[in-house]
Amino acid sequence: EAGVTQSPRYAVLQEGQAVSFWCDPISGHDTLYWYQQPRDQGPQLLVYFRDEAVIDNSQLPSDRFSAVRPKGTNSTLKIQSAKQGDTATYLCASSFGGGKYEQYFGPGTRLTVL
Amino acid sequence: GDSVTQTEGQVALSEEDFLTIHCNYSASGYPALFWYVQYPGEGPQFLFRASRDKEKGSSRGFEATYNKEATSFHLQKASVQESDSAVYYCALSANAGAKLTFGGGTRLTVRP
Repeated sequence: EAGVTQSPRYAVLQEGQAVSFWCDPISGHDTLYWYQQPRDQGPQLLVYFRDEAVIDNSQLPSDRFSAVRPKGTNSTLKIQSAKQGDTATYLCASSFGGGKYEQYFGPGTRLTVL
Repeated sequence: GDSVTQTEGQVALSEEDFLTIHCNYSASGYPALFWYVQYPGEGPQFLFRASRDKEKGSSRGFEATYNKEATSFHLQKASVQESDSAVYYCALSANAGAKLTFGGGTRLTVRP
């Protein structure tokens, strides 16, 4: 069974530039999550979907970040105008069912904003 | 809000030593508790979970017991190996929600 895949693996931007991250979850998983993991810290949830619906985006900086999952499968996370404080690894995870079930994480995209 | 506290930021041991990483949580209701392990350049990997008081979760020689009274879920392993070197995260999922709240992580280094 293929795991969660993410691309790109690395991105380096200047402040003010835009970037998109792509995630392909495990086949059949209805729930997809995006986490931000600053260096030497634990992952912090940004947004999650069940099928194509956003369930919780309360931690997503809505003025610059957006996330979609239009067909309930792949997902894209976009940063419109990156800031140095956005430097982190962006992790995608998927699961089948609710929060009491394990989440499977992709390798992440390491973003550096100069 | 919900929170997870891992006491040790870093732990350094020799092979065959006994490991304990302390995890305490704060959450309303009856959260599910998890341990994840993260190797360099990878995302966190699920180790195991426990969903009710006194339940023991275990995997790969690691174990932890859900203690609701003490609000704890401490990770233990009887004899660590160099290959166990990684960052370990305790996490919780409160009630029926899907959101995982992670602790700050504990970096384990095992010397051969």
